[in-house]
Amino acid sequence: QQPVQSPQAVILREGEDAVINCSSSKALYSVHWYRQKHGEAPVFLMILLKGGEQKGHEKISASFNEKKQQSSLYLTASQLSYSGTYFCGTVPPLDRDDKIIFGKGTRLHILP
Amino acid sequence: SQTIHQWPATLVQPVGSPLSLECTVEGTSNPNLYWYRQAAGRGLQLLFYSVGIGQISSEVPQNLSASRPQDRQFILSSKKLLLSDSGFYLCAWSGLSYQQYFGPGTRLTVT
Repeated sequence: QQPVQSPQAVILREGEDAVINCSSSKALYSVHWYRQKHGEAPVFLMILLKGGEQKGHEKISASFNEKKQQSSLYLTASQLSYSGTYFCGTVPPLDRDDKIIFGKGTRLHILP
Repeated sequence: SQTIHQWPATLVQPVGSPLSLECTVEGTSNPNLYWYRQAAGRGLQLLFYSVGIGQISSEVPQNLSASRPQDRQFILSSKKLLLSDSGFYLCAWSGLSYQQYFGPGTRLTVT
């Protein structure tokens, strides 16, 4: 049930773009994206609740393809502050307890 | 505004000793509460979640237990710690918005 994230790690130079993918073998109700800085707690980025939904947050956006059971996180013109580990989390349909199953994370390192 | 507290921030315990980690939430009522564990360089593993006082669901069989004695208090316990219990323990809460808010975490080292 754990979603699969790809790539596992990526190194970029400041200003470059990145795409992080999250796919599930099960049907999805929602997809959550979080970022975690080293030694800190994860911080919420966005939730996608509907198939086909896209959301943006400054230069970070995401899409949710319900049919393909996958989501992608897009980071454009990356900044040094974007470094960290990105987790996607999925919630299956009919889950009333909001239990998020997190992927193993994608480590993103931005070089100056 | 809502805040979530966890303590202690760091803890070093010998194998076989007991454990008690506490999490409290302020500024919201009847939250869903969660305990996660994160091993070094690994993902977030859901350990327990609670939808109300005294209601605990376990996701992973282990030597840990959880309790929710009050609406906004969530406690993680163990009678005898194992080396494999080392990790970063995170408490989180969620409300009607589905978004989960994480506490600052407790870094546990079992020696």
